[in-house]
Amino acid sequence: DGGITQSPKYLFRKEGQNVTLSCEQNLNHDAMYWYRQDPGQGLRLIYYSQIVNDFQKGDIAEGYSVSREKKESFPLTVTSAQKNPTAFYLCASSRACGGADTQYFGPGTRLTVL
Amino acid sequence: RKEVEQDPGPFNVPEGATVAFNCTYSNSASQSFFWYRQDCRKEPKLLMSVYSSGNEDGRFTAQLNRASQYISLLIRDSKLSDSATYLCVVKGSDGNKLVFGAGTILRVKS
Repeated sequence: DGGITQSPKYLFRKEGQNVTLSCEQNLNHDAMYWYRQDPGQGLRLIYYSQIVNDFQKGDIAEGYSVSREKKESFPLTVTSAQKNPTAFYLCASSRACGGADTQYFGPGTRLTVL
Repeated sequence: RKEVEQDPGPFNVPEGATVAFNCTYSNSASQSFFWYRQDCRKEPKLLMSVYSSGNEDGRFTAQLNRASQYISLLIRDSKLSDSATYLCVVKGSDGNKLVFGAGTILRVKS
């Protein structure tokens, strides 16, 4: 079955540590995205990638980093520089470049900083 | 500082709108300037060259400001087919090396 997967589902991190969230898709989509959701708020775009080896900052990229070495994978690293990392992180992918097409979302990763 | 910098966008505009992109370059010795267009999963294609006097090609107008080291692209009467990534490209004084900006995404919607 085609789909988009994120792991782990729940992640705990000590303050000051970097942590990497995984996102994989087998939909053959070019574009991939990372969002974060905080309680009572909508989704905010962290980073997006239109094509392999290219990615662009979203609205709240500070304290995050990404890589896109393979079409199927778009891992997100939450660095110690991110001041408020506890949130729900959603990864998405879409067929068309620039996100003009429907975005398919993964199940999300809930990150908690202790 | 990057040699060529562009606002990544995306710029979301309705059909018929006028949209402008700017690009700045750091090497004052740069000699030639271009705008390229790139569609998904395809190589960049030359859209137009940019001259100091400004030049126009249909709905597209390009301008160069050497003093401020920026280049602009204006698209009038946007069409759905204009949706693409627009790359600012600068050729250095050595005449060979092309430096590409990261691109500006344009999405034109009906």
